[in-house]
Amino acid sequence: GENVEQHPSTLSVQEGDSAVIKCTYSDSASNYFPWYKQELGKRPQLIIDIRSNVGEKKDQRIAVTLNKTAKHFSLHITETQPEDSAVYFCAARSHSNSNSGYALNFGKGTSLLVTP
Amino acid sequence: DTAVSQTPKYLVTQMGNDKSIKCEQNLGHDTMYWYKQDSKKFLKIMFSYNNKELIINETVPNRFSPKSPDKAHLNLHINSLELGDSAVYFCASSQGSFGNQPQHFGDGTRLSIL
Repeated sequence: GENVEQHPSTLSVQEGDSAVIKCTYSDSASNYFPWYKQELGKRPQLIIDIRSNVGEKKDQRIAVTLNKTAKHFSLHITETQPEDSAVYFCAARSHSNSNSGYALNFGKGTSLLVTP
Repeated sequence: DTAVSQTPKYLVTQMGNDKSIKCEQNLGHDTMYWYKQDSKKFLKIMFSYNNKELIINETVPNRFSPKSPDKAHLNLHINSLELGDSAVYFCASSQGSFGNQPQHFGDGTRLSIL
């Protein structure tokens, strides 16, 4: 089954700096990689996603890169702001271990703190 | 206007009780999910239904029984609650059944077992 590793588990940056979170996956058949942001006590919210036919995708201050050969993908946040502080989860889509459906396997999360 | 709504938001109960959590989505999606988020924030898929049919049933104790009366609703019933069931349970939905579309999460149900 799919195994998604996420690093670092915690990340502290100063406002205005960049933040990078990295994930690796094990299933070479995985082809969809979303990133979710979860603020304290709130639900996970999709911030950006990338499919395996694309190497990079940008949305304002957020970008995601994908290296299929190395099986890793990264989230880049530029010009960080205090409101970017949250837990960020990467995920990879793969066939479910036990059944006929497809599941998102999540990394263990990165707690990002942006200090003013 | 909430896209994925769960009830209740909080559930405090004693060990051994039976409880249910309800989820409804108004996005017209075909697939709905239940996730468990433990105290370490790890998000793990439990079940998934596509058009009322169970398509994912990960290694979950059979005390947990999902039910989907129609594609807009997915409920979760838990029998004989145990201390280890304390967690936040999230419902989510997405279009299609191939897992490659964005998933929209509900606000979660925080279950605390005394």
